[in-house]
Amino acid sequence: QKEVEQNSGPLSVPEGAIASLNCTYSDRVSQSFFWYRQYSGKSPELIMSIYSNGDKEDGRFTAQLNKASQYVSLLIRDSQPSDSATYLCAVWGGRKRSGGYQKVTFGTGTKLQVIP
Amino acid sequence: NAGVMQNPRHLVRRRGQEARLRCSPMKGHSHVYWYRQLPEEGLKFMVYLQKENIIDESGMPKERFSAEFPKEGPSILRIQQVVRGDSAAYFCASSAWGGPDQPQHFGDGTRLSIL
Repeated sequence: QKEVEQNSGPLSVPEGAIASLNCTYSDRVSQSFFWYRQYSGKSPELIMSIYSNGDKEDGRFTAQLNKASQYVSLLIRDSQPSDSATYLCAVWGGRKRSGGYQKVTFGTGTKLQVIP
Repeated sequence: NAGVMQNPRHLVRRRGQEARLRCSPMKGHSHVYWYRQLPEEGLKFMVYLQKENIIDESGMPKERFSAEFPKEGPSILRIQQVVRGDSAAYFCASSAWGGPDQPQHFGDGTRLSIL
């Protein structure tokens, strides 16, 4: 079972629509959640981080976290062709029992295509 | 430029040579992570380091690959005796003192090509 799962897509939405990207994770004690955008041939760029249940909004982006159901989603309102990219979900599972840090695990990403 | 700096941007090596990839974290960041990415594939974690310590190297091949983050200077990812399969984009990221619970910021990557 993959630790962080995303639908690879491509997810196609018309310009101006809402794009909904989903991510599920397996480690129930995960504490920190991140969304990154990666354009083809470029490095990942942080969009949002979310740490507690509920919604977090930043401009056209809203991250939603539901720890009980172990999923985190990203909504993009008024989608633009420039939003076409791969969106990576990343999850941090907290500290180890020994006190050390666990690494952050990335999903394989969902490719979003916004059609003009 | 206060961002994560990686160099070189492009590196070409012949099979059997050594590749050294450098990463300077953002100012104030003491946690460094290295990832490998093949075309059209996801990020593969390689190693997580703090100053002078390797925290997690579970994603790094046990042979030919090594990483360090000395007290002074950049983090170095070293690949000895490179093979064609090492061709990939290698990304470095850094996070602040809190560690992985803080967002990671990525450099532009080093594209390694093996002839």
